[in-house]
Amino acid sequence: GAVVSQHPSRVICKSGTSVKIECRSLDFQATTMFWYRQFPKQSLMLMATSNEGSKATYEQGVEKDKFLINHASLTLSTLTVTSAHPEDSSFYICSATNRQGATGNTIYFGEGSWLTVV
Amino acid sequence: QKEVEQNSGPLSVPEGAIASLNCTYSDRGSQSFFWYRQYSGKSPELIMSIYSNGDKEDGRFTAQLNKASQYVSLLIRDSQPSDSATYLCAVYFGNEKLTFGTGTRLTIIP
Repeated sequence: GAVVSQHPSRVICKSGTSVKIECRSLDFQATTMFWYRQFPKQSLMLMATSNEGSKATYEQGVEKDKFLINHASLTLSTLTVTSAHPEDSSFYICSATNRQGATGNTIYFGEGSWLTVV
Repeated sequence: QKEVEQNSGPLSVPEGAIASLNCTYSDRGSQSFFWYRQYSGKSPELIMSIYSNGDKEDGRFTAQLNKASQYVSLLIRDSQPSDSATYLCAVYFGNEKLTFGTGTRLTIIP
């Protein structure tokens, strides 16, 4: 089946620095990738939707200058948390689809990345 | 704003019993509904999808959909300790985005 890989699975960074998280589709071309954030005991909150070769569409309340998303190829999207602060510590999850009009059974999730900002 | 609501639990069920998880959604026009299981510290995994009114069974899992009541549920028969997880209801509102509920934490008691 389709596989989406995220890296790193865990990262600790100092406050004020930037950290990049990669999301790769391993055996299909992902036309659309989604980035979610999940705080402990809360649900997944969609941060942004990115389509290959175009600018990401951010959800309301998500700072696009703080959470930089690049979807430069059909197999790779990156999320860069810039000037990270402790409140950015969270579980970040990407998902990907190769279909237009994607529904839940055509969206594949990565393993997630735990970010801790100290 | 389109919403998906779940009882956060925790829901405790004895091993071997039936676990019943419920979800309501705000958009009457929604067509696609999904149940994901998420173990602590892991990504969600899809366990059931349902599109039509009625029941859909897959092994020990049964999804039930009632569009008139805007209600979708998940039944887990013969509950096992390995079923202990958070169950997320997700609704596709037709804009290429899945909206997730807050999840219900289920604990199966041996």
